[in-house]
Amino acid sequence: EVQLVESGGGLVQPGGSLRLSCAASGFTFDDFAMHWIRQPPGKGLEWVSGISWNSGNIDYADSVEGRFTISRDNAKNSVYLDMNTVRPEDTAFYYCVKDASSPSLILAPYFDYWGPGTLVIVSS
Amino acid sequence: SYELTQPPSVSVSPGQTARITCSGDALPKKHAYWYQQKSGQAPVLVIYEDDKRPSGIPERFSGSTSGTVATLTIRGAQVEDDADYYCYSTDSVGHLYVFGSGTKVTVL
Repeated sequence: EVQLVESGGGLVQPGGSLRLSCAASGFTFDDFAMHWIRQPPGKGLEWVSGISWNSGNIDYADSVEGRFTISRDNAKNSVYLDMNTVRPEDTAFYYCVKDASSPSLILAPYFDYWGPGTLVIVSS
Repeated sequence: SYELTQPPSVSVSPGQTARITCSGDALPKKHAYWYQQKSGQAPVLVIYEDDKRPSGIPERFSGSTSGTVATLTIRGAQVEDDADYYCYSTDSVGHLYVFGSGTKVTVL
């Protein structure tokens, strides 16, 4: 059974930093690209970032480019999101998501398994 | 930028058919995907590549695309289908990964 479990969410002040982690199990982790998708409370979904199986291809939404960094450790079956210079508009549930289409991010992704999410609140 | 347009809400009586539309200029060339999100839970994939159903998804869920409009159909809607539904696709060059704004389906 595929399981994705996020951790690291919480309250952070504007301009601060936070690291989200995602532990994956139930599939061959290094065969798949991985993504982070976020959802402000009561609002819609926004793709944030994706990383290929070997970290060779990485992509970001314009809204987080230059502030967030995605990475993965295949030996630990984990993917991370380093969030820097956070803003109130970054407040959201952050979901760790498995790519169903390609390991390389060459093809446009779609998403087949989602973690339960971790809540990040940016507020003073 | 690229947008996918969904109606904010759809209401249906149990046993009836609900149809949710998603409009996007690139849909004639790019696949549509549909996600169900129940209150307090993570999204679940219910339709991929326009009309394919993942294992474990009931047969009452089906998808279709005609021109710039993708449609999710729930035939014989059940109370447990009460949820938000999001379409997802990409722009014509496959560089922007976009979700629709979501449709609240109420079954009562």
